[in-house]
Formats: sequence, structure tokens, C-alpha cells
Amino acid sequence: DVKVTQSSRYLVKRTGEKVFLECVQDMDHENMFWYRQDPGLGLRLIYFSYDVKMKEKGDIPEGYSVSREKKERFSLILESASTNQTSMYLCASSPWRTTNEKLFFGSGTQLSVL
Amino acid sequence: EDKVVQSPLSLVVHEGDTVTLNCSYEVTNFRSLLWYKQEKKAPTFLFMLTSSGIEKKSGRLSSILDKKELFSILNITATQTGDSAIYLCGTPGAGSYQLTFGKGTKLSVIP
Repeated sequence: DVKVTQSSRYLVKRTGEKVFLECVQDMDHENMFWYRQDPGLGLRLIYFSYDVKMKEKGDIPEGYSVSREKKERFSLILESASTNQTSMYLCASSPWRTTNEKLFFGSGTQLSVL
Repeated sequence: EDKVVQSPLSLVVHEGDTVTLNCSYEVTNFRSLLWYKQEKKAPTFLFMLTSSGIEKKSGRLSSILDKKELFSILNITATQTGDSAIYLCGTPGAGSYQLTFGKGTKLSVIP
């Protein structure tokens, strides 16, 4: 089974801190994604990557950046955390060039910014 | 802009009831529609639909797609408390592999 692992289940940070959310997948998938999930707003795409060192903005990239130095690892960075970035963050992966668009999700990181 | 709308946003039913969850979409070059169940944290895959009128079934859950009217439904028969979850539907945009999701339907099944 595909495993997508997010390094932290719960994280509490202070406003202005730099925050790193890590995601690792073990199935050699090319595509990796970061979503955030908020009540009443559903899942919204922040950034995604189709290859190492490649990144594309999603629907809500403001205040975030990403890093993909290795194929299996996709990091989400909050340069200066703010309270409106308190949210559930979900990482996902999928294989490239397939007619099966099924995403495999990690268990999520609940981030609270105080 | 791709759009996915789910209804209702929340639903409370009693065990044994049958429920129907709705998902309508507007997307360029439609390829597929996917349903996920999210109980605790990680959404888990339920169905992927690509063809109209072909029902996909897994136990008490089933789903069907109507590409003419641009919607899908997810049916759950004889609901159990373990069906309580958020149900998400999503579809990939044109030429892309990221999914655009609806806001989800929060289903609560009470004994």
C-alpha cells in the first residue's frame, strides 16, 4: 500500500515563526500536492509538484512556499506564520502520466498559529 | 474556472436510513470524478467514475455519474454509525492531475 507520511499530527507555532511541514511518500510517485482544509471551505490546493525541483502554484499560494529536493519529499514552508494559517494541512501524492487520477493522502497536520 | 459543488453540506440521519449525497461539477475536458471518505484525518478513496450510467458499488455504498447533467451521486444504504464522516468529491482540471474538491458533505449517523 502507498504510504504518505506527514511528520507531525499536531503543531503549535507563534505568529511570525518560520514553519516547515514535511511530507514523504514511499511509492516513487512523481506528483505531490499540498492542500489545506478549513470548515466550510473544503480542501483548497496550495502548491503542487510534478517533479524534483519543480513547483506550481495552486489556488491559494500566498504566504506559502514549497521545496522538492528529492522525489519522495515535498515540504511546505510558512515563511512567517500568521493566525489565518491555522488549519489542517493535507499532503497527497499520485503517479504521473496515468489515467488514474487517484490521490493518496497523508493523515494531515493540524497547525495552530497563536 | 473549475467548480465542484456538493450538497447537502451536512446531514444527520438515524442508523438504517438510506442517504444520497450530491456532487455537481463544471470542468473543462472532464476526465473523471472521484469520491473520498474522511473519518479522522486522511481522506480514503472510495470510487472513481469516468463513464455515465455505470454504477460503481462497494458493499452498502454505490455511486453513479451523469455526464450529460454534470453530476454524480453517492448512495449509502442501511447506514451505520461508522459511516459518519465527511464525504468529498473531486475532479481533475483540464490537462492536470491535481483535484478540485467540493466543500464536502458532513454525514452524522446517530444510533
